[in-house]
Amino acid sequence: DGGITQSPKYLFRKEGQNVTLSCEQNLNHDAMYWYRQDPGQGLRLIYYSQIVNDFQKGDIAEGYSVSREKKESFPLTVTSAQKNPTAFYLCASSTHDRVDRGYTFGSGTRLTVV
Amino acid sequence: GQQLNQSPQSMFIQEGEDVSMNCTSSSIFNTWLWYKQDPGEGPVLLIALYKAGELTSNGRLTAQFGITRKDSFLNISASIPSDVGIYFCAGLNSNSGYALNFGKGTSLLVTP
Repeated sequence: DGGITQSPKYLFRKEGQNVTLSCEQNLNHDAMYWYRQDPGQGLRLIYYSQIVNDFQKGDIAEGYSVSREKKESFPLTVTSAQKNPTAFYLCASSTHDRVDRGYTFGSGTRLTVV
Repeated sequence: GQQLNQSPQSMFIQEGEDVSMNCTSSSIFNTWLWYKQDPGEGPVLLIALYKAGELTSNGRLTAQFGITRKDSFLNISASIPSDVGIYFCAGLNSNSGYALNFGKGTSLLVTP
């Protein structure tokens, strides 16, 4: 079955360490997205990529970095420059020409920085 | 992206009650989507709306695309405990590009 997989489900890191969240999809979707979710804040866009080797900053890109070397993969690195990294992170994907069909979301990674 | 105004922020109801929530925007949208997020999981698409005035059902859920194209509504009839979660609206217009605009969500709690 096609889908989008995020790993790990839970991640703990010490303050000051970089950490990379994995996102893989086998839906043959062109576009991929990273969102951050905090209680009561809704979904805030971090980065998105419409095509391999290209990506754009979203609303809250500071302290984050991404790469898109393969169509199937869009890893997110939370750097030590991110001042408040503890949050629930969601990856999503969509087709290039039918974004109006919505995104398919992964099941999320909960990052806790101590 | 543009933030949509979604209300209410939270609802606490008894099993069997009907639920209504809405989403408004200052801009016109061509597409309205409604998602549900179970606790600790990613959102799942419930209903997609593509035409002003359109009314679409998915089981006990009914959503409408507002006539002004600046709002949308979601109703849940005869709620059950598994309806618990966060419901998000999302809109798409020609200015959005590839990025959906999301509301902040309505958190629904249902007591047996």
